[in-house]
Amino acid sequence: GNSVTQMEGPVTLSEEAFLTINCTYTATGYPSLFWYVQYPGEGLQLLLKATKADDKGSNKGFEATYRKETTSFHLEKGSVQVSDSAVYFCALHTNAGGTSYGKLTFGQGTILTVHP
Amino acid sequence: EAGVVQSPRYKIIEKKQPVAFWCNPISGHNTLYWYLQNLGQGPELLIRYENEEAVDDSQLPKDRFSAERLKGVDSTLKIQPAELGDSAVYLCASSPRTSGPYNEQFFGPGTRLTVL
Repeated sequence: GNSVTQMEGPVTLSEEAFLTINCTYTATGYPSLFWYVQYPGEGLQLLLKATKADDKGSNKGFEATYRKETTSFHLEKGSVQVSDSAVYFCALHTNAGGTSYGKLTFGQGTILTVHP
Repeated sequence: EAGVVQSPRYKIIEKKQPVAFWCNPISGHNTLYWYLQNLGQGPELLIRYENEEAVDDSQLPKDRFSAERLKGVDSTLKIQPAELGDSAVYLCASSPRTSGPYNEQFFGPGTRLTVL
């Protein structure tokens, strides 16, 4: 079955530090990959996505590259801000048919805290 | 445009009591999802509706959980009777119908259930 594994958290950084959150996956078919962000008290929001190998998703200074050879989709940001403090979820969606269509499979989430 | 609306935001009940959660999706979105999010975990799909039809309910514990989406708009998720292990956040999401392989899901803020 499909699965997503994220690096263990929580992650604590100082403002302007470099961020990497690792994500690897196992999937049948050809998955699309996503990063969602959940700010305190709010619902999950799509941060970025990549739908095929070697695609790079980017948004708000965050980037992630779909690496099929390593089955990875690591999230990076060159300079984090206090406002980036949130929980980040890696997720995949596959079109392999059957019950997997229309379902997102999420990782366990990584809590990021950025200090001034 | 209003997002996905869920109510209540918080609910505290005693075990063996019934509880219901309500979701109103974004206007025009055909697909509606209910997810369960345990503490420290990513969301897991419980049920997916296409209009008023439940097309994937394989992860819904049918002995105590039920859901309905009358008229293909808003939806209710019910637990009867609730157990201690049901304490979690219940998320609702919706997505529009598009011609592409993936329909972006928009999440509500969730209902946090505590069973005492």
